[in-house]
Amino acid sequence: QVELRESGPGLVKPSGTLSLTCAVSGGSITSGNWWSWVRQPPGKGLEWIGEIYHSGSTNYNPSLKTRVTMSVDKSNNQFSLKLTSVTAADTAVYYCARAPPNNDAFDIWGQGTMVTVSS
Amino acid sequence: QLVLTQSPSASASLGASVKLTCTLSSGHSSYAIAWHQQQPEKGPRYLMKVNSDGSHNKGDGIPDRFSGSSSGAERYLTISSLQSEDEADYYCQTWDTGKVFGGGTKLTVL
Repeated sequence: QVELRESGPGLVKPSGTLSLTCAVSGGSITSGNWWSWVRQPPGKGLEWIGEIYHSGSTNYNPSLKTRVTMSVDKSNNQFSLKLTSVTAADTAVYYCARAPPNNDAFDIWGQGTMVTVSS
Repeated sequence: QLVLTQSPSASASLGASVKLTCTLSSGHSSYAIAWHQQQPEKGPRYLMKVNSDGSHNKGDGIPDRFSGSSSGAERYLTISSLQSEDEADYYCQTWDTGKVFGGGTKLTVL
């Protein structure tokens, strides 16, 4: 049973960089799936941030593309998100999620981690 | 542009059935979608994928009370024999060059 677990600082200063990691357990990150980040501002809906394949191939949400970088760490079976120049609007619960090899529906979600942008 | 539209809210009585709708934008009526449930203070959970022909593939452990169907550009999630734990937000999701979510429907069980 594959499980995903997000980790990272819960507080980031404005104009700083948000950095999160998603650890994959119960399966390999090189198994052919696509790995995504999704966020949810307080009281609002879900927003897809972007996705990465174990080869390093990425797709990003056009609205965030200039500030987002994703990477894969195969040795530690995890993938990461960096979001630069953050503002209060980036305050959200951040989820990692898995899509199967045909890259369609998210079939596994992490529990989420809250990140607040504040000085 | 690929857009998913959901009604913000729905309600139904305990033990009754409810049908939630997700509408695909013009020109995208052949797309499949997925339904996800988010109970209060929890992360989303995958329910099922619904294809344009109405066939659906449920996630592991999803009760038979949950089913999916399609008509034209509309994709549906039907929940029968409503239980209190079905009170949640329901999101539809689709995919093209990237992933897209609908705005979500908040289901209240009366």
